[in-house]
Amino acid sequence: RKEVEQDPGPFNVPEGATVAFNCTYSNSASQSFFWYRQDCRKEPKLLMSVYSSGNEDGRFTAQLNRASQYISLLIRDSKLSDSATYLCVVNMGSGTYKYIFGTGTRLKVLA
Amino acid sequence: ETGVTQTPRHLVMGMTNKKSLKCEQHLGHNAMYWYKQSAKKPLELMFVYNFKEQTENNSVPSRFSPECPNSSHLFLHLHTLQPEDSALYLCASSHGTSDSYNEQFFGPGTRLTVL
Repeated sequence: RKEVEQDPGPFNVPEGATVAFNCTYSNSASQSFFWYRQDCRKEPKLLMSVYSSGNEDGRFTAQLNRASQYISLLIRDSKLSDSATYLCVVNMGSGTYKYIFGTGTRLKVLA
Repeated sequence: ETGVTQTPRHLVMGMTNKKSLKCEQHLGHNAMYWYKQSAKKPLELMFVYNFKEQTENNSVPSRFSPECPNSSHLFLHLHTLQPEDSALYLCASSHGTSDSYNEQFFGPGTRLTVL
C-alpha cells in the first residue's frame, strides 16, 4: 500500500459545482497534514493545513478522519481558476521533517 | 514572490558535466529541503537540513551531493548524472521547530535535462 494515496482524476466539473477529494495515508503515527495546489509547470503552493477539528478557508474545507486514516478537501462554488492539481501531504511524525506527497488529484473546472 | 528563490531555472547538462543548483530563502526559516519531481510521479524527498545539519537523506545516489553553508542557502551539486535524473528539482523551507505543523514553502524549481 502506498504511504499516501490519491485518485489522480481528472475531475471535470462545471463552474459553481462542489467537488471533494479524498486522500488516504498508511502510517497511523502521522501527525500533520496539508493540502497543496500545483499549477502546470509551477511549484506547489500551500492551500491549507488540515487540523483535527477540521478547518475552513472561504470556499475550501479540509477534514481529517484519523480512525479511517484519510483527509478530505471540499471545494464549493468552483471557479475556473481552481483548475490545478491538488496534492495531499503527510508529515510522518512529530519532530520529523519527512513529508510524503501524494501523486495529486487533477481538477478541471469547465465554463 | 521572492520567499524562496532557485537558480538556474533551467539547466541542460551532459552526463560528464558537473553543475550546482542553488536555493536561497528569505523567510527566516531554519529547515531546508530538496525534492525531485519526475513526470507522473509524486514529489520525492531527497535531503533535509535543519539548522545546517542534515537530518534526512532519502537513499539518494552519491552523484547528488547537498551542501548547506547556512540556514538561508542550500546547494545541490551534480556530477555524472544519468538521463533518468532529468526532472524538476524543487527547494523548500520551513520553520525548524519540533512543532508538527511546519508548512513548507517552495521555490520555483530548476528544470534539469540530462543528455
